[in-house]
Amino acid sequence: GENVEQHPSTLSVQEGDSAVIKCTYSDSASNYFPWYKQELGKGPQLIIDIRSNVGEKKDQRIAVTLNKTAKHFSLHITETQPEDSAVYFCAATRSNDYKLSFGAGTTVTVRA
Amino acid sequence: DGGITQSPKYLFRKEGQNVTLSCEQNLNHDAMYWYRQDPGQGLRLIYYSQIVNDFQKGDIAEGYSVSREKKESFPLTVTSAQKNPTAFYLCASSRTGGYTFGSGTRLTVV
Repeated sequence: GENVEQHPSTLSVQEGDSAVIKCTYSDSASNYFPWYKQELGKGPQLIIDIRSNVGEKKDQRIAVTLNKTAKHFSLHITETQPEDSAVYFCAATRSNDYKLSFGAGTTVTVRA
Repeated sequence: DGGITQSPKYLFRKEGQNVTLSCEQNLNHDAMYWYRQDPGQGLRLIYYSQIVNDFQKGDIAEGYSVSREKKESFPLTVTSAQKNPTAFYLCASSRTGGYTFGSGTRLTVV
């Protein structure tokens, strides 16, 4: 089955700086890669996703890049704000499979 | 509005009791999932169901049971066989690909 590794496990950044979280996956057939943000005491929320037919996708301050050859994808948050502090999870799956494989999560802290 | 609802938000269980966590969705999603999350930890899959009247064990199914009698509902029972049930439980649903998560149930053994 799919194995997703996520790094780093914790990340502290100064407000206004950028944050980058990296994930690798093992199944070359995986072609859908979502990212979730989980605030304290709440369920994870989808913030951005990418499919294997594109290399990069942007939504305001958030971007995701995908390198299919190296089997890794990354989340980039620019101009970080205190409300970006949360746990972020990456995930991967095949398009014909319902079940996502999740990374272990990254706790992001934005220092004011 | 479409969404996924978990209840209750907080649940307290005495030793030896079975408790049932509710999960309902009106998104017309085929698949539903239960995850367990311990403090500072990731998401561990308990059970999942891709179709009504069918479900599969995840990575940590021991001490848990589920049913899927309706497309909209996927209740999770934490049995007395689960020795360490205190955790945050998350339900999710999907059609294909991305999940929609509920807001979670925090279960505490007292």
